[in-house]
Amino acid sequence: AQSVTQLGSHVSVSEGALVLLRCNYSSSVPPYLFWYVQYPNQGLQLLLKYTTGATLVKGINGFEAEFKKSETSFHLTKPSAHMSDAAEYFCAVSAGYNQGGKLIFGQGTELSVKP
Amino acid sequence: SAVISQKPSRDICQRGTSLTIQCQVDSQVTMMFWYRQQPGQSLTLIATANQGSEATYESGFVIDKFPISRPNLTFSTLTVSNMSPEDSSIYLCSALGDSYEQYFGPGTRLTVT
Repeated sequence: AQSVTQLGSHVSVSEGALVLLRCNYSSSVPPYLFWYVQYPNQGLQLLLKYTTGATLVKGINGFEAEFKKSETSFHLTKPSAHMSDAAEYFCAVSAGYNQGGKLIFGQGTELSVKP
Repeated sequence: SAVISQKPSRDICQRGTSLTIQCQVDSQVTMMFWYRQQPGQSLTLIATANQGSEATYESGFVIDKFPISRPNLTFSTLTVSNMSPEDSSIYLCSALGDSYEQYFGPGTRLTVT
């Protein structure tokens, strides 16, 4: 079975500050890990993904995440927050075809960016 | 990546009626998914839709309430039947990508009065 825990339902940062959104997962098989962003009244947009290989993955809009197997973590970071980063962020895990391609989502973290 | 469109984008319906949501993908995909997202919450998977077979429903969701069609590799529909105010939600469809990621449509915002 798989699960995802996002630490902190709300995170607030100042513009230009570091963004750190935490995600821990549980998986009985090697996981595929994803971060999605959802802007108000929109669908989910894929930010980045980890499948295999390099554990530090870079995504769109300056975001990156590092897969740490020993810590079962996949935290999302961005060096300098921008006002346009304000949105809801979801971490998700998949077992691939072992579970029919399903995604298990965390509860989401709302990021606020203060001017 | 895949581009996904949904129709309608939003609707207001009366209780007891049904609404069919359409989901179109710009390329052929093996698996499509339907989710429900209640305001301020995460996504809950309703069912997985494979072309040529019946949809697979998650616990708590039944075919009579949420019938799904998947007539080809680029299209699917979800019907919300005999609606009640508790069905007010955002309904999203998605398509499975090559690396097990999913690409999402913009969602259908349903209000039941």
